[in-house]
Amino acid sequence: ETGVTQTPRHLVMGMTNKKSLKCEQHLGHNAMYWYKQSAKKPLELMFVYNFKEQTENNSVPSRFSPECPNSSHLFLHLHTLQPEDSALYLCASSPTVGQGDEKLFFGSGTQLSVL
Amino acid sequence: DQQVKQNSPSLSVQEGRISILNCDYTNSMFDYFLWYKKYPAEGPTFLISISSIKDKNEDGRFTVFLNKSAKHLSLHIVPSQPGDSAVYFCAATGGGSGGGADGLTFGKGTHLIIQP
Repeated sequence: ETGVTQTPRHLVMGMTNKKSLKCEQHLGHNAMYWYKQSAKKPLELMFVYNFKEQTENNSVPSRFSPECPNSSHLFLHLHTLQPEDSALYLCASSPTVGQGDEKLFFGSGTQLSVL
Repeated sequence: DQQVKQNSPSLSVQEGRISILNCDYTNSMFDYFLWYKKYPAEGPTFLISISSIKDKNEDGRFTVFLNKSAKHLSLHIVPSQPGDSAVYFCAATGGGSGGGADGLTFGKGTHLIIQP
């Protein structure tokens, strides 16, 4: 078991749908992340939360809306997505975002298909 | 422009032999490097890391070498086993990109296939 749990594992949605991805970490970490992995591309950082506060938004379109109610839970709300948003969405956590805490712990990801 | 490059999309190695995965970087401010391993339908898992103050770090069958002057690092796996078949990602952080996990820059990955 990974310590970082993501649901759902797979999601198919239409462009007009609204859905949410959920992430929960059981590691006692204070920082949580959303990454996007598209085919044949490097992992792209989308959002960073440290102690529930958003510290980074990597120029992500507003159709992706993150929410971090506490240090253990992270959501990614999706609405009016485009087919090019189809990708593997990975949640990760780390003790903090500072130097000395470079190691990320990833969930298994949500494979998203937008039709 | 990619700051972390893994130029081999795939690598095939016979079981028992040495696997060498390569990674090049362009940002001279990077000072901490990591390798992650990813199986299908799973998230990446941390494998091994190295700080720029070292040129080698070893953990069991896995050794990472860092050549700062060439801005190159490599991951050696010896002996290679069937369970090593996975995608391996190189990542770097530090300096101008911001130290820590929020400053990690990843390569595209190399798919290692271990043949029996």
